[in-house]
Amino acid sequence: NAGVMQNPRHLVRRRGQEARLRCSPMKGHSHVYWYRQLPEEGLKFMVYLQKENIIDESGMPKERFSAEFPKEGPSILRIQQVVRGDSAAYFCASSPVWTYGYTFGSGTRLTVV
Amino acid sequence: KQEVTQIPAALSVPEGENLVLNCSFTDSAIYNLQWFRQDPGKGLTSLLLIQSSQREQTSGRLNASLDKSSGRSTLYIAASQPGDSATYLCAGLEETSGSRLTFGEGTQLTVNP
Repeated sequence: NAGVMQNPRHLVRRRGQEARLRCSPMKGHSHVYWYRQLPEEGLKFMVYLQKENIIDESGMPKERFSAEFPKEGPSILRIQQVVRGDSAAYFCASSPVWTYGYTFGSGTRLTVV
Repeated sequence: KQEVTQIPAALSVPEGENLVLNCSFTDSAIYNLQWFRQDPGKGLTSLLLIQSSQREQTSGRLNASLDKSSGRSTLYIAASQPGDSATYLCAGLEETSGSRLTFGEGTQLTVNP
């Protein structure tokens, strides 16, 4: 069992570019969650998805950020027109049911220059 | 809104010492509570998951307790080792939303040889 796979591990983008972060959940897990960890801050919830559905996106910034979890393939967190303040570690987690414990990936560290 | 507080923010102990990390939460309507470990620049490793109907969980030298009525959880580490040095995070899964873990800021533990 490969665990939750996130790629890339590190991503550098210039201001104004787009960032795409990918997350493949553990086998058998249909619930995916994205969290953001800003430098020197705690982990903050962004969005909760199931296959082809966004269940809760109340933690997502209203503009420039979007997430999807298609029927086939990984979940994608997309940040358009990145700004320096988007520099952070983005973690994906998955679970078999929402009441069960989460398994986290190793994260994608986004740096905006 | 759920708030999770961890005390102390940092802890330094000599090798071999037993120690307790504290976690408190404001909303007792949590479905479960999970303790994680995060090494610098790495992802989160799940240590223990306590369902709301349980009072404690044990794994090796780790023991976690949960008291919903008082809004508290503790993580006990026995016979600490330098390899235990990391940031320890507790997170509560809210019953109301069913979709998000709320994290504390973490306790940074250093075990000195």
